[in-house]
Amino acid sequence: GQQVMQIPQYQHVQEGEDFTTYCNSSTTLSNIQWYKQRPGGHPVFLIQLVKSGEVKKQKRLTFQFGEAKKNSSLHITATQTTDVGTYFCAGQTGNQFYFGTGTSLTVIP
Amino acid sequence: DAGVTQSPTHLIKTRGQQVTLRCSPISGHKSVSWYQQVLGQGPQFIFQYYEKEERGRGNFPDRFSARQFPNYSSELNVNALLLGDSALYLCASSLYSGQTNEQFFGPGTRLTVL
Repeated sequence: GQQVMQIPQYQHVQEGEDFTTYCNSSTTLSNIQWYKQRPGGHPVFLIQLVKSGEVKKQKRLTFQFGEAKKNSSLHITATQTTDVGTYFCAGQTGNQFYFGTGTSLTVIP
Repeated sequence: DAGVTQSPTHLIKTRGQQVTLRCSPISGHKSVSWYQQVLGQGPQFIFQYYEKEERGRGNFPDRFSARQFPNYSSELNVNALLLGDSALYLCASSLYSGQTNEQFFGPGTRLTVL
């Protein structure tokens, strides 16, 4: 069945270092969304990518959708303590959303 | 404007019981989706409803059912509860179905099955 895997599962970085999480789907996706979930909170939408090879930037965050629309990445430049949380990708196939396994980011001050 | 609201916030049930969870979407949103999130894992898609019709169903047993009302609010029902049903149940609303758009999540209902 459909699977969306993310690596790494956990990442600890010093404040100011960069961070990247990778998302891989077993099947082609129509689009992909990224969410951030703080501990004890609910997922909050960050961005949506639709086109093959699409790259979008939000301040220090860069999102990329692979050419084959089966993988995606989120890169954070110069992490801050406010970046702490779990980052999930969510791929859509038909009317179903498949969330990735998530990457938990810890930023050490 | 109010965000997505869910009730109750917490619920404790015993095995075999039935539970109903409720969700009110953001005003103007016609699509509601339900997710199950087990601790330490990503949300798992259960259902999507749009304009009161089921538009998507995840890989969950028939013990799980849902409906959407004319005011676009939604209920998720789970029958014959199992210990493994213990999880955070999230509701998300969005403007459309099909064409992806931003999903706004509610705070969730924490279900504990004893």
